[in-house]
Amino acid sequence: EAQVTQNPRYLITVTGKKLTVTCSQNMNHEYMSWYRQDPGLGLRQIYYSMNVEVTDKGDVPEGYKVSRKEKRNFPLILESPSPNQTSLYFCASRQGTDYGYTFGSGTRLTVV
Amino acid sequence: EDQVTQSPEALRLQEGESSSLNCSYTVSGLRGLFWYRQDPGKGPEFLFTLYSAGEEKEKERLKATLTKKESFLHITAPKPEDSATYLCAVNNFGNEKLTFGTGTRLTIIP
Repeated sequence: EAQVTQNPRYLITVTGKKLTVTCSQNMNHEYMSWYRQDPGLGLRQIYYSMNVEVTDKGDVPEGYKVSRKEKRNFPLILESPSPNQTSLYFCASRQGTDYGYTFGSGTRLTVV
Repeated sequence: EDQVTQSPEALRLQEGESSSLNCSYTVSGLRGLFWYRQDPGKGPEFLFTLYSAGEEKEKERLKATLTKKESFLHITAPKPEDSATYLCAVNNFGNEKLTFGTGTRLTIIP
């Protein structure tokens, strides 16, 4: 089944403890992207990647890092999480600019 | 800066009662406008891409249209299973940034 897989689905962590949310797609898509979704603010793009080793900032990149060493994987790294990064995170991929994104099921992160 | 505004925030309809959702946008160069459906606790599900003013696309009870400043998602004779949040997003030429609106929460009452 064609899908974007994120792990974990739920995560509670403490301020300052580094964490990684993994994202993998099995559709051989070129483009991948991370979003966070907050009530009243909607989906906001954190980072995106247009190919292996090609990444760029979205609208809210502060406090996040990404890497794209393989086409299928696009992990999101929070090196020193803070409570304002508590949110619902989505990874997504698409074949090209003429296609819609396929989204993962989301990761609900709580930073205390 | 690209902007997307969706209205209304929430809409309750009786089953079979047709209506439209609005997406107003500001973008320096529109590569594409996207509609998504999101069910509670799930990721958004892609519905349509529109590229130029005058374009229309249909899928079952849904029809999306595009003008130079806004897009409409028309829902004809909706059923309870059409209840969801509908999201609109725009993609600018020259980059991969995708700007979303905050969505319209649609409830269809049996």
